[in-house]
Amino acid sequence: QKEVEQDPGPLSVPEGAIVSLNCTYSNSAFQYFMWYRQYSRKGPELLMYTYSSGNKEDGRFTAQVDKSSKYISLFIRDSQPSDSATYLCAMSAGENAGNNRKLIWGLGTSLAVNP
Amino acid sequence: DGGITQSPKYLFRKEGQNVTLSCEQNLNHDAMYWYRQDPGQGLRLIYYSQIVNDFQKGDIAEGYSVSREKKESFPLTVTSAQKNPTAFYLCASSITGYRTSNTEAFFGQGTRLTVV
Repeated sequence: QKEVEQDPGPLSVPEGAIVSLNCTYSNSAFQYFMWYRQYSRKGPELLMYTYSSGNKEDGRFTAQVDKSSKYISLFIRDSQPSDSATYLCAMSAGENAGNNRKLIWGLGTSLAVNP
Repeated sequence: DGGITQSPKYLFRKEGQNVTLSCEQNLNHDAMYWYRQDPGQGLRLIYYSQIVNDFQKGDIAEGYSVSREKKESFPLTVTSAQKNPTAFYLCASSITGYRTSNTEAFFGQGTRLTVV
């Protein structure tokens, strides 16, 4: 079993839809959670960064962390064709992991928002 | 503008040749990383460096080498020993390295290496 599971999709939605992207994880020590967006043939860009449990909102994007269920989500409201990309989750244990604090990545979910 | 610059964007090499990928950052970040991305396999860590003159192997270091002589630069050499070098290579940096805090990473635009 991988430490981080993410459905690769593809996910196809109409413009204006609410999109829900999810990752599950197995390591209860994870406490830093990130969502990255990657356009085709480009490097990933950091979208959202969350520490521990709870919600964080930034414009049309909301990140949720449920540590009791080991489940994180990214919601995109009023989705636009420009949101079409691959979304990667990443997480780390931070200071809980001693010297092994590397980021653990999901495989990414491919999203297409159709006009 | 602050950021991470990878060059070149596309690189072609003949099998058996070593090739060096460039990564430069002007973000004043201590830590730098090299990842490889293949379809269906996500991001895999090749090497990372927490500070100048120090670097550590990641999960798939065989066939690769790095150096960190300057804070701004972290070049990756893909050697002839790497059995399947054709891939998309991504360089990243973060403010601090593994031993001090979380590591949200900022990425360059990648180099697509094709070995023929």
